[in-house]
Amino acid sequence: SAVISQKPSRDICQRGTSLTIQCQVDSQVTMMFWYRQQPGQSLTLIATANQGSEATYESGFVIDKFPISRPNLTFSTLTVSNMSPEDSSIYLCSERGLAGADTQYFGPGTRLTVL
Amino acid sequence: GQNIDQPTEMTATEGAIVQINCTYQTSGFNGLFWYQQHAGEAPTFLSYNVLDGLEEKGRFSSFLSRSKGYSYLLLKELQMKDSASYLCAVSDSNYQLIWGAGTKLIIKP
Repeated sequence: SAVISQKPSRDICQRGTSLTIQCQVDSQVTMMFWYRQQPGQSLTLIATANQGSEATYESGFVIDKFPISRPNLTFSTLTVSNMSPEDSSIYLCSERGLAGADTQYFGPGTRLTVL
Repeated sequence: GQNIDQPTEMTATEGAIVQINCTYQTSGFNGLFWYQQHAGEAPTFLSYNVLDGLEEKGRFSSFLSRSKGYSYLLLKELQMKDSASYLCAVSDSNYQLIWGAGTKLIIKP
């Protein structure tokens, strides 16, 4: 199984600031995803991080608010921009080796609190 | 629309067996996943079913019926550490995971 690390593991931020979350996978993977999980809720897909091109965003999420980079097959970043308390959530990086792979793994998550 | 249904909460006794059901309606089907998630932690992969039938992994088994749009996760010999949320997710025609809301399982001594 792939090992996924995320930095930071948690942060407390002020309203109006931005935070960049890093995700590193220990093997080359085809698909990387960013999810958000608000307290007591299930996972919501923010976007699919595409290597060398713009991410594919889900309905309700836009690039200006959640810019994503993926410079290579093993690394991606998610920035939460101009934060508000509503952005307080756990942000999870996830990978799937191939589109039809029988496993999808998650990083440990970044717990974000916006004051 | 796409829909995944699973019970919100279940309670079971240590040492017993519990079955968590999941029904789905999705645009296409490329497999069904079960994850375990302890409070404050990331989801942990448990199982994947793409063909009908039962897959057994130790104390955990997962069943799939594609014609019925139905799956269940069976947990045997329950332990206190099995108290967690269990998430059902279906891979749709675009290989995107569609998530259920999760079932919170409470284990009592």
